[in-house]
Amino acid sequence: AQKITQTQPGMFVQEKEAVTLDCTYDTSDPSYGLFWYKQPSSGEMIFLIYQGSYDQQNATEGRYSLNFQKARKSANLVISASQLGDSAMYFCAMREGPAGGTSYGKLTFGQGTILTVHP
Amino acid sequence: DAGVTQSPTHLIKTRGQQVTLRCSPISGHKSVSWYQQVLGQGPQFIFQYYEKEERGRGNFPDRFSARQFPNYSSELNVNALLLGDSALYLCASSFLRDQETQYFGPGTRLLVL
Repeated sequence: AQKITQTQPGMFVQEKEAVTLDCTYDTSDPSYGLFWYKQPSSGEMIFLIYQGSYDQQNATEGRYSLNFQKARKSANLVISASQLGDSAMYFCAMREGPAGGTSYGKLTFGQGTILTVHP
Repeated sequence: DAGVTQSPTHLIKTRGQQVTLRCSPISGHKSVSWYQQVLGQGPQFIFQYYEKEERGRGNFPDRFSARQFPNYSSELNVNALLLGDSALYLCASSFLRDQETQYFGPGTRLLVL
């Protein structure tokens, strides 16, 4: 079974509007972390936001927020007030196990969603 | 502060050759992880090194090896290159215990002909 599933190969949004990128995950470990990264065409993976499995509140970082629904095993990224520079590939990733554990260094990524922002 | 740096940025090799990719982590970071990203897919975990020891290994053949130096920089070696090794190789660093997030470098694009 896929550990990280991103069902939207591509998404389009109008500039200044909000957009939600979907991510569902599969793990039996009670301790895990969820990440979103942005990858422009240059290739570098840019960290956007992190949510720990024990965090009570949804993570927010500027225009990025993570809609964490633990029971549904979903961690959707919401980008508010989209900008042209937001056009890129977006990856959801998961770390299983507690920080500092043997699996800490391994991130499992989804297939990604290409976001295109129209002017 | 400088981010994660990788060299070279691009590389062209032929089948059967060997390649060495280099990574320098963010200053103060002690952990380095390597990922392979084939075109159109998400990155796949290859190795993690912390304090010069291998702490994690992904599902890659023994042709892939790595090491970490006392200054926490790292090298990824791939022997007997195959066409399927063509990919973007990403290095990520983190402090490990006190910091959750891995920060990635710009990657090395390897093309095997």
